[in-house]
Order: sequence, then C-alpha cells, then structure tokens
Amino acid sequence: EAGVAQSPRYKIIEKRQSVAFWCNPISGHATLYWYQQILGQGPKLLIQFQNNGVVDDSQLPKDRFSAERLKGVDSTLKIQPAKLEDSAVYLCASSQGRGHETQYFGPGTRLLVL
Amino acid sequence: AQSVTQLDSQVPVFEEAPVELRCNYSSSVSVYLFWYVQYPNQGLQLLLKYLSGSTLVKGINGFEAEFNKSQTSFHLRKPSVHISDTAEYFCAVSGGGADGLTFGKGTHLIIQP
Repeated sequence: EAGVAQSPRYKIIEKRQSVAFWCNPISGHATLYWYQQILGQGPKLLIQFQNNGVVDDSQLPKDRFSAERLKGVDSTLKIQPAKLEDSAVYLCASSQGRGHETQYFGPGTRLLVL
Repeated sequence: AQSVTQLDSQVPVFEEAPVELRCNYSSSVSVYLFWYVQYPNQGLQLLLKYLSGSTLVKGINGFEAEFNKSQTSFHLRKPSVHISDTAEYFCAVSGGGADGLTFGKGTHLIIQP
C-alpha cells in the first residue's frame, strides 16, 4: 500500500513570494490533515478536511494561508505572501475516518523563507 | 483546550539499558493518547495509542506506555534500547470532538554505545 505522498520535498523562496505544497493521501482515506512543524517544536494542526469539506481550520492563518481538497482526494496548501516565520516542515497526514483513527504522515515539505 | 508537556528535550541512555520518556497532558475532556516516532529524515510513525480499556498499551518495536488518569500522564517505556531506537519521540493527544492531534515538543532519544 502506497503511503502519503508530498511534493516538493524542499523549497526555498524569498519573503513575500508565494508557494504551494501538494499532498496525495493513502487511497480511500477520507480525512486529510495539514500540520506545520517549526524547528524544535511538535507539529501544529493547520487544517483538517473530511472528503472535500473543511472540518477544522481554527489555527490556519487565513490572511496568508489557504488550502483546498476539491475532489476529496489530493490537497494543496498555499502560502501567499510568505514570511520568514513560515520556515518550517509542512506535514500532510491522512486517516480512514475521523475520531481516534490512526493518522499516517507523509515525509513532509521543508520550506525555507529567506 | 488541550496541551501536552514532554518534560525532557533530550534523553541519553546506554545501549541495552531501559528508558522512560515522560509525557503529561492537560484536558478537560476525555482524551485519546498517542506516541509517534520520527527517525532521521523520515516521516512520523505511530508507535502506540490509548483509546480506552487496559491502561497498559503495547506498541511496535518493544515499546509500551501506561495511561495514568489521576496523574494525567502517558509515559513511554522500553526495557532494553538499541542503537536503532535513536529518534525523536512525540507524545500527542486528541479528543473532545477535535480529531487533530496536539503534539508535545518532542524528546530526542540518544543511544550511547
């Protein structure tokens, strides 16, 4: 069974530029999560999708971050414009359902904003 | 709101010695508790989870954890560690209608030969 796929693996941009990350969850997984992991900290949830609907985006900085999962499968997370403090690893995870279902994580996209 | 405290940022231990990684949580509702491991240059992998029932949970690679409701703790243990256990370990909590995980800051387990 293929795991959660993410691309790109690494990205370097200048501040005020825009960037997009892509995630393809495990086949059949209805729930998809985006987390932000700043160096030296644990991952922090940004947004949760159930199929193509948003369940929780309370910690998403909506003035600059956006995410979509239009067909209920893969997802894109965008930052526009990027700030220095957005430098982090962006992790995508998926689970079969909600609640206490095990979340399976992708390898992450490491973003450096200069 | 929920929070997780991992009391040690680094834990050095000799190979074949036992280890305990500490985790305390704060929540006003019933929670589910998890331990994830992150090996160098790899994604997070679930070690074990507590949902309900027996407070002693066994996971992969010989790890186990004990849920203690009165002390709001979920410490991770292994009786004998190996070099391959070198990694970052994260404790996490979910519950109260929120599915997303709230993670601690992580504990770096360093195995010394």
